[in-house]
Amino acid sequence: DAGVTQSPTHLIKTRGQQVTLRCSPKSGHDTVSWYQQALGQGPQFIFQYYEEEERQRGNFPDRFSGHQFPNYSSELNVNALLLGDSALYLCASSLVGTSGGFTDTQYFGPGTRLTVL
Amino acid sequence: GQNIDQPTEMTATEGAIVQINCTYQTSGFNGLFWYQQHAGEAPTFLSYNVLDGLEEKGRFSSFLSRSKGYSYLLLKELQMKDSASYLCAVSNTGGFKTIFGAGTRLFVKA
Repeated sequence: DAGVTQSPTHLIKTRGQQVTLRCSPKSGHDTVSWYQQALGQGPQFIFQYYEEEERQRGNFPDRFSGHQFPNYSSELNVNALLLGDSALYLCASSLVGTSGGFTDTQYFGPGTRLTVL
Repeated sequence: GQNIDQPTEMTATEGAIVQINCTYQTSGFNGLFWYQQHAGEAPTFLSYNVLDGLEEKGRFSSFLSRSKGYSYLLLKELQMKDSASYLCAVSNTGGFKTIFGAGTRLFVKA
């Protein structure tokens, strides 16, 4: 049973550049959430995708955008990179329940370590 | 506002019991999660509480009081490998958004 996978593992960019991170959810999962985790902090919610739509968004600027594909995989795009965007980016997948949009336990991928110079 | 508070660091001795507390204020509630995160690794799921009371799973137990906005994670028979950060997280109504605390770094000493 394949778990959540993310690519690339590490990435180095310079200020002003754009980056795309990729995530494949755990087999059988249909919902993908993205988080940013700065060193020594908890993960900060960026947004969640379900049925190829952004369902909810955290307090992140429009420079952060995403996409979900029909096979449930997802991409996170960050434009105009800032030094402060350096962090571990985590993808988590879950399965939407049949009642009221309840989200089951989220399982995390290994993350992409982004360094902005 | 939305806020999750947990202690920054704790130290305990191998073989002992440790309790990590978490208090929360969130808009809506659809469950509380505890995750373990070793340095440089992704969080791994430990427990989930949606109703008041204690959930036990081996050496780990988690308690929830929704009226008090309070949870704790209890770790028994501590092992050196339990040295990690423990993240308290609350899912909002509908489960669309999960808010994480900053984490509690637990150091287990011999």
